[in-house]
Amino acid sequence: EVQLVESGGGLVQPGGSLRLSCAASGFTFGTYWMHWVRQAPGKGLVWVSRINTDGRSAVYADSVKGRFTISRDNAKNTLYLEMHSLRADDTGVFYCVRETTTFDYWGLGTLVTVSS
Amino acid sequence: DIVMTQSPDSLAVSLGERATINCKSSQSLLHSFNNKNYLGWFQQKRGQPPKLLIYWASTRESGVPDRFSAGGSGTDFTLTISSLQAEDVAVYYCQQYHTSPYTFGQGTKLEIK
Repeated sequence: EVQLVESGGGLVQPGGSLRLSCAASGFTFGTYWMHWVRQAPGKGLVWVSRINTDGRSAVYADSVKGRFTISRDNAKNTLYLEMHSLRADDTGVFYCVRETTTFDYWGLGTLVTVSS
Repeated sequence: DIVMTQSPDSLAVSLGERATINCKSSQSLLHSFNNKNYLGWFQQKRGQPPKLLIYWASTRESGVPDRFSAGGSGTDFTLTISSLQAEDVAVYYCQQYHTSPYTFGQGTKLEIK
């Protein structure tokens, strides 16, 4: 069974940093592109970032470019999102998502709250 | 960026009746090299992550009931639930995966009338 389990969320002050992790199981992690998607409370879905299979290619939404870094450790079956200079509008649930044709498996998400 | 616009924003339909949600993209989602539309539909129930229903604009994901169907091409797409069930109450999103950034529609909230 495919499982994606996010962790690392929490309350952080504006300007602070967090590192999210996503532990993958039930599939050959290293053969899939992976994404992060954010959902602000009561709002819609916003794509954040994507990484290719070997971790050498990544793309970002303009709103996080230069502040967030996506990475992966295929030996540990884990996806990461390093977040710096966090702002109030970064608040939301961050989902780890697997891509096949499109986003076919989603984790339950981890909540990031940016507030003083 | 490709802008995805759904209509309506909310919809109330009686049990057993048909529900139709529209999605329009600001650019064509049809790739000429494989003649596929890079459009997906997701269902998100309260307190849950989104679930993939449809990919390639009209292909039902494994396990999705056949009362869910979808179609369209280019810039105009539709998701139809042929006979609404109580468990279909959710927010539905379309998404383009033609070009980064992979944008979503704003969502359509489907309720029981």
